Amino acid sequence: AQSVAQPEDQVNVAEGNPLTVKCTYSVSGNPYLFWYVQYPNRGLQFLLKYITGDNLVKGSYGFEAEFNKSQTSFHLKKPSALVSDSALYFCAVRDKGRDDKIIFGKGTRLHILP
Amino acid sequence: ETGVTQSPTHLIKTRGQQVTLRCSSQSGHNTVSWYQQALGQGPQFIFQYYREEENGRGNFPPRFSGLQFPNYSSELNVNALELDDSALYLCASSVRDRGSGNTIYFGEGSWLTVV
Repeated sequence: AQSVAQPEDQVNVAEGNPLTVKCTYSVSGNPYLFWYVQYPNRGLQFLLKYITGDNLVKGSYGFEAEFNKSQTSFHLKKPSALVSDSALYFCAVRDKGRDDKIIFGKGTRLHILP
Repeated sequence: ETGVTQSPTHLIKTRGQQVTLRCSSQSGHNTVSWYQQALGQGPQFIFQYYREEENGRGNFPPRFSGLQFPNYSSELNVNALELDDSALYLCASSVRDRGSGNTIYFGEGSWLTVV
C-alpha cells in the first residue's frame, strides 16, 4: 500500500532562514508525490508535485521540493522563510489504483518566528 | 482560487440527523472526490465519483453516500450522524482522463459539528 510519513509534528524556523519540512514515502513503482498547504480554517492549497523528470520541483510561493529516490524522500524547502508561511503542510502520494485517490501524511505545522 | 466551491461552509447538526454537503467542481473536471479531515489529522478519502458513478471508496460506512450530477457537481450525504462525524469535509476535483499525474484541487471545505 502507498503511504507517506511526516516525521515532525512541528517545525520552528526564524524568519529569513531556510526551511525544510520532511517527508518520506513508501510506494510500489514510480511515485506521484504532492505537497499541499492548509492555512487556519481553510481548505487545502496545491503547492507542487513530482511526477517524473527533474528531481528538484519548483512550486508556488517560492517553495521547492527535492525528490530523492535512494532515500525515498520528498522534502519541502524554501530558501528564506516568511512569517506568512506559517501553516499546516501535508505531503501526499497518489494511489495508482482504480480511484487514484490521494493519501496524505498526518501533516507538519510550520511556525515562522519573527 | 481553485474553482472548487463548497456549501455550506459551517453547519451544526444533532446526533441521528442527516446532512447534505454540496460541491461545484472546477470547470472541465470530470472527477470529484470527498475527504474527511478530523481535527489534528490529515484528510481521509471517503469516495470518488467519475461520470456519475462511484469509482472507489475508502473505509467509511454505507451511511456515507454521494452523487455526481451531469454538470459534474456533487453531493455528500451522511445519515444517522454520530459525534465522530464532526470534521472538515473537503471536496476535490480533477480530470481523470489525463492520467494519475494530474493535480487534484480542493475546495475550502464544509465544517460539520455534530452535537
